[in-house]
Amino acid sequence: DAKTTQPNSMESNEEEPVHLPCNHSTISGTDYIHWYRQLPSQGPEYVIHGLTSNVNNRMASLAIAEDRKSSTLILHRATLRDAAVYYCILRDNFGNEKLTFGTGTRLTIIP
Amino acid sequence: DGGITQSPKYLFRKEGQNVTLSCEQNLNHDAMYWYRQDPGQGLRLIYYSQIVNDFQKGDIAEGYSVSREKKESFPLTVTSAQKNPTAFYLCASSIRGRFEAFFGQGTRLTVV
Repeated sequence: DAKTTQPNSMESNEEEPVHLPCNHSTISGTDYIHWYRQLPSQGPEYVIHGLTSNVNNRMASLAIAEDRKSSTLILHRATLRDAAVYYCILRDNFGNEKLTFGTGTRLTIIP
Repeated sequence: DGGITQSPKYLFRKEGQNVTLSCEQNLNHDAMYWYRQDPGQGLRLIYYSQIVNDFQKGDIAEGYSVSREKKESFPLTVTSAQKNPTAFYLCASSIRGRFEAFFGQGTRLTVV
């Protein structure tokens, strides 16, 4: 399975942008990069995903390196409600549906 | 509303008893998953199913069993062989392929 590496924790000030990095040096050509976040005592929720191009949605932006070996989730203006554990995972578009999570990055927002 | 439902939210069992956790989805998703989460840890995959009547072991399948007789349902049985069953259990479902997975709200199992 292709693996991802994320920092264990990060802090950011409220109302400032947050850049959450993820390394995936063994990514294959058919792997999509997905981001999820998990609030305390809840199930993870989908944030964003992409293949090669940068992606934007109402929650966040995803910047993907040209060689696809790393990506960055960008929260443009962090709020206290963005405090969560953020997971970066890879999903194969063909064949095996195994969906594996790592330990993620715990994001703390400072008021 | 479409979604994925886990029940119950909290479950208490005595040591040595088998217990079955329910997971139902009405999203017409082919793939379903079970995860275990311990305090302060990430999600660990127990079992997953890509299609009805088929399932595969994840990374920590020992002491657990599943069935997938219907597309909508993927129950997880925590057997007495599971050495440390107290944990937060999460179920998820997804369309096959590149699309996002949807998670239930979890079942917190406590074995005393």
